[in-house]
Amino acid sequence: NAGVTQTPKFQVLKTGQSMTLQCAQDMNHEYMSWYRQDPGMGLRLIHYSVGAGITDQGEVPNGYNVSRSTTEDFPLRLLSAAPSQTSVYFCASSPTLALGTSGRAADEQFFGPGTRLTVL
Amino acid sequence: AQSVTQLGSHVSVSEGALVLLRCNYSSSVPPYLFWYVQYPNQGLQLLLKYTSAATLVKGINGFEAEFKKSETSFHLTKPSAHMSDAAEYFCAVSDIAGGGNKLTFGTGTQLKVEL
Repeated sequence: NAGVTQTPKFQVLKTGQSMTLQCAQDMNHEYMSWYRQDPGMGLRLIHYSVGAGITDQGEVPNGYNVSRSTTEDFPLRLLSAAPSQTSVYFCASSPTLALGTSGRAADEQFFGPGTRLTVL
Repeated sequence: AQSVTQLGSHVSVSEGALVLLRCNYSSSVPPYLFWYVQYPNQGLQLLLKYTSAATLVKGINGFEAEFKKSETSFHLTKPSAHMSDAAEYFCAVSDIAGGGNKLTFGTGTQLKVEL
């Protein structure tokens, strides 16, 4: 299993540009989420999904869109990039709490390696 | 709303010394608590978790944490620090309402291990 993969690893954008951060997982996890990490602030939840076709907002959703057309993929879209969106972005996945068929606890989240985004 | 507070953004210990990283939580329901570690330029890796089965939780790499309801704490310890433990550590609490698994993180503690 590749686990959770994210592309690209690095990206530089100009203010106003749009882009999509890709996230994929091959563990058949129902739950996926996006976090951003900023110095001194820990990780903050942007959007999450409890299954294909279902998404919801987290703590800091403004300026970001998500969709979940398949179980495997959960892309994050920046509509019009701003310098305040300069951050490291992490995607994570976990089984639904009702499952846990992997033998691990159902509530462990698996994180991707991150995308470092700079907006000029 | 649930929250966690990590006391001390930077902790420095000597190799072989006790590691103690502090985490206090706030939750109106019995919490699910986690410690994650982040090595430089990497994602987060689960160290250990508390899900009400036992108050003393053992994790990977010799770390453990004790859940103390009376103190609303979930401090992370390791008896003897190793150079490879240098990393950033995050405490987190999970909101499982609606079948989800939303994590609220603390601001992190950077652990430095000196010779």
